[in-house]
Amino acid sequence: QKEVEQNSGPLSVPEGAIASLNCTYSDRGSQSFFWYRQYSGKSPELIMFIYSNGDKEDGRFTAQLNKASQYVSLLIRDSQPSDSATYLCAVMDSNYQLIWGAGTKLIIKP
Amino acid sequence: ETGVTQSPTHLIKTRGQQVTLRCSSQSGHNTVSWYQQALGQGPQFIFQYYREEENGRGNFPPRFSGLQFPNYSSELNVNALELDDSALYLCASSRWGQEVVGGYTFGSGTRLTVV
Repeated sequence: QKEVEQNSGPLSVPEGAIASLNCTYSDRGSQSFFWYRQYSGKSPELIMFIYSNGDKEDGRFTAQLNKASQYVSLLIRDSQPSDSATYLCAVMDSNYQLIWGAGTKLIIKP
Repeated sequence: ETGVTQSPTHLIKTRGQQVTLRCSSQSGHNTVSWYQQALGQGPQFIFQYYREEENGRGNFPPRFSGLQFPNYSSELNVNALELDDSALYLCASSRWGQEVVGGYTFGSGTRLTVV
């Protein structure tokens, strides 16, 4: 069974610090990797996607992908209280279906 | 450009009943995917519709069924409701082929409670 694993948290980070979120996946045929942010009671919103090994930066966010280790991470620099949310890792498998992790709850402390 | 609209936003059903959830896709999108998200969990893929046909299905029993209409809107039907069906049901539309670059637009979801 294809799985995506995340630490459920909560992960508590001081305001202004770097938040590091991690995700591992089981399907080596996975093609694209996504990070979504979900506020309580709301739908997921896409933060970043990555499909090549290495780093991809977008503003305060950096996604990192290591296909050999089946590992994808998200770094949030200069964390703000508004970044407090649940972060969902999603992986598009070889059948073009999204497999989701259970999410990591991030708390940014002022 | 309109987004994805789901209806109803909330509903309460009794175990054993049937329910229909509706989703109108974003303008220009031709594919609709449905997800179930239980409390504290990530979304689980139910199925996807493209060109009015089911194009991929997750690990859900046949009592979960769907339709896609010529205008690309979609319905999710659940028969013989069970308590474990209580969840947030998310609809996501996309343009076929754009999913690999994150081309999904999610609706706000329908919160279903089965009592």
